[in-house]
Amino acid sequence: DAGVIQSPRHEVTEMGQEVTLRCKPISGHNSLFWYRQTMMRGLELLIYFNNNVPIDDSGMPEDRFSAKMPNASFSTLKIQPSEPRDSAVYFCASSLGRRGTSEQYFGPGTRLTVT
Amino acid sequence: ILNVEQSPQSLHVQEGDSTNFTCSFPSSNFYALHWYRWETAKSPEALFVMTLNGDEKKKGRISATLNTKEGYSYLYIKGSQPEDSATYLCAFIRQGAQKLVFGQGTRLTINP
Repeated sequence: DAGVIQSPRHEVTEMGQEVTLRCKPISGHNSLFWYRQTMMRGLELLIYFNNNVPIDDSGMPEDRFSAKMPNASFSTLKIQPSEPRDSAVYFCASSLGRRGTSEQYFGPGTRLTVT
Repeated sequence: ILNVEQSPQSLHVQEGDSTNFTCSFPSSNFYALHWYRWETAKSPEALFVMTLNGDEKKKGRISATLNTKEGYSYLYIKGSQPEDSATYLCAFIRQGAQKLVFGQGTRLTINP
């Protein structure tokens, strides 16, 4: 199994540009999570999908952030317009099961730098 | 506000020594606790998921215990090796919630 796949691994963009991060979960997993890691706040959940349906998006910082999961094997996290304070590492994770009793498998992350 | 606290924040241990650190979480409405190991420049890797009071889990030289009544979990590493150097994260989920809340981690460095 290839594990959770994220692309791109690194993204450098200018303030105001649209950024799209991509994630392919492990085949057969039905839950998908987007996290953001910063020095100040550590690892924080942005949004959680179960069976392709967003269940909890309370962690999405503001309207500039949106996430979609059009099918079981693909999800995107979009930032439009991007700002320097969005610079962080964004992780996607997947698990089998709906609630918190299943371990999560993390992708390698996308390091986003907004200048 | 749901607080998950880990202590110490960082720890230096001599190779071969054993060590342990703590994760504290609210004792009410417990559902599950996760431990992850996060090596520098990599992504978090699951160690344990614990759900029952008194649970003890073991993976090689690493083990964990859980006390849901008092709201803490210990992670133990026996005979530390340089490859154990990493940040160890715990994450808590309460009854009725949908998401894990992560602690800030304990950064462990093993000195050869």
